[in-house]
Amino acid sequence: SQKIEQNSEALNIQEGKTATLTCNYTNYSPAYLQWYRQDPGRGPVFLLLIRENEKEKRKERLKVTFDTTLKQSLFHITASQPADSATYLCALETSGGSYIPTFGRGTSLIVHP
Amino acid sequence: EAGVAQSPRYKIIEKRQSVAFWCNPISGHATLYWYQQILGQGPKLLIQFQNNGVVDDSQLPKDRFSAERLKGVDSTLKIQPAKLEDSAVYLCATESTSGSRTGELFFGEGSRLTVL
Repeated sequence: SQKIEQNSEALNIQEGKTATLTCNYTNYSPAYLQWYRQDPGRGPVFLLLIRENEKEKRKERLKVTFDTTLKQSLFHITASQPADSATYLCALETSGGSYIPTFGRGTSLIVHP
Repeated sequence: EAGVAQSPRYKIIEKRQSVAFWCNPISGHATLYWYQQILGQGPKLLIQFQNNGVVDDSQLPKDRFSAERLKGVDSTLKIQPAKLEDSAVYLCATESTSGSRTGELFFGEGSRLTVL
């Protein structure tokens, strides 16, 4: 069966460190992979999209890697700040008709001052 | 630019009652999604519209859920009759399909449903 796996345990790190979140998937051939941020009581907010033929993408303090051989994406936040504390969701889109994002359960990140 | 508007933000009903949620997309966004997010889980797709046509409703429990998008703008999601397991946040998201595709979904704040 198809699965998108993100750590269910919260990731706790100290301010200034690099946070690394993992998204693993099975039985998917995604054309795109996206990362979203979700704060409590709010809707998800789009952060980055990476295509299957891209290895890495950066945006300010954010970096996403996409390894289609390992079936894994890593999401990095450098120089983390307490304001980065949130739940981070990965979403896969497969090609073949319409692109419909399928979400993982998300990983909670807590950055301690 | 105004974001995706959803209402109501909160709704509490008894089981077997009905409820309706409304979504007003960003102007010009042709694609609209309804997702269900149960506490501690990721959003799960219920239905996707392209303009006023249904693209995918394979995960919509059609015996109790219905959705429409008249005139290709606003959309409503209805649950009738509600069950306890329908307690969740219902998220509306829209996507611009003009020009080259960015893949970015714009979400509303969600409608939180509690079924007692």
